[in-house]
Amino acid sequence: GAVVSQHPSRVICKSGTSVKIECRSLDFQATTMFWYRQFPKQSLMLMATSNEGSKATYEQGVEKDKFLINHASLTLSTLTVTSAHPEDSSFYICSAKLAGGPETQYFGPGTRLLVL
Amino acid sequence: QKEVEQNSGPLSVPEGAIASLNCTYSDRVSQSFFWYRQYSGKSPELIMSIYSNGDKEDGRFTAQLNKASQYVSLLIRDSQPSDSATYLCAGSNSGGSNYKLTFGKGTLLTVNP
Repeated sequence: GAVVSQHPSRVICKSGTSVKIECRSLDFQATTMFWYRQFPKQSLMLMATSNEGSKATYEQGVEKDKFLINHASLTLSTLTVTSAHPEDSSFYICSAKLAGGPETQYFGPGTRLLVL
Repeated sequence: QKEVEQNSGPLSVPEGAIASLNCTYSDRVSQSFFWYRQYSGKSPELIMSIYSNGDKEDGRFTAQLNKASQYVSLLIRDSQPSDSATYLCAGSNSGGSNYKLTFGKGTLLTVNP
């Protein structure tokens, strides 16, 4: 149980294009999902907290207009990197918390983004 | 003090030995604690959660929480080369309603055959 998927697993795009990443909880409902970014040899950095049916809460220093988050259902959250640039190249990982459950977060497999 | 601190290592142990990973935390992170394992190039996977003082055992893994001293540890018995990974300690924000976890920077463990 508690399986989280992400799609795509890997994406290469040209600078200036937008990229959408999907995060799905496959066998449970998740009222809260989280988006992280991880650069090589560094720890996870929380970007935003996504709550179903409401606006995401962004961490300090994260541009909400650049990283658009939508959490339209209890099993799906999307992150759109708008006008991506090479410095946005990173490993993006989502996690989901079981609705009504403890704070345990279950992670998706991650999306590796390379912006050329 | 940073909210969650871990010794970055690397920690190297021989196969079959006990690996001991430690984590300290500040008052802002004092509700629940989690240990995640992250293999290189992969996302974190949950090993254990612990909410109350004392020990919690699951197979070869034992988590220990001491709220008075503000530390949480993970022991791995009979370490195997497949245990080689980065281990992340995380705590939830005390009194928070958004369930955010604060992660340490991780400890790199290498188990030598």
